[in-house]
Amino acid sequence: DTEVTQTPKHLVMGMTNKKSLKCEQHMGHRAMYWYKQKAKKPPELMFVYSYEKLSINESVPSRFSPECPNSSLLNLHLHALQPEDSALYLCASSQGRSSGITYEQYFGPGTRLTVT
Amino acid sequence: TQLLEQSPQFLSIQEGENLTVYCNSSSVFSSLQWYRQEPGEGPVLLVTVVTGGEVKKLKRLTFQFGDARKDSSLHITAAQPGDTGLYLCAGRPGAGSYQLTFGKGTKLSVIP
Repeated sequence: DTEVTQTPKHLVMGMTNKKSLKCEQHMGHRAMYWYKQKAKKPPELMFVYSYEKLSINESVPSRFSPECPNSSLLNLHLHALQPEDSALYLCASSQGRSSGITYEQYFGPGTRLTVT
Repeated sequence: TQLLEQSPQFLSIQEGENLTVYCNSSSVFSSLQWYRQEPGEGPVLLVTVVTGGEVKKLKRLTFQFGDARKDSSLHITAAQPGDTGLYLCAGRPGAGSYQLTFGKGTKLSVIP
């Protein structure tokens, strides 16, 4: 089973709202990722959690706040977003770094976010 | 910064035709992954190539990693409408890196 699930599938929010995106995997993976994808562009990495610790933050604005409550769950908290933040937000997971090697990433179906 | 040049960006072909998509870089990658993505969905992993010169087949899809691990190709034989989608290559710069370098993608349309 290589399934990563994401909720909600679609989200519309105003610029003053607070919302959260959720991601879950049960493959025993110890690395989880948030990506942002604009139309007709490849995914852009936002955050990486490795063994439940934030490992990479690609200079993402503080209005995006990631959280990894446990090894199976990853959240992305959203606050005071801008219309240009509208995009497909993808979660991915992979085995954690082991013996200096990392492994292929499996993506979830994404959350289509629209900021009005 | 490592770059992956993917070509062509767009490809529209008739059902039954063959096609090849290329990913090229001046940098070496420890591995390279190919994904297919449908509109509004997440990328689905097709294959990972690791060894220079490696060839992997997935039904009508053939993936090759260049000898120097700087380039890769995806060849589809007798394309079907179900092959329609965005094909993305993604290279891993180092064996222990969590970051992937993505190509810009090839949007394939297979016309019945």
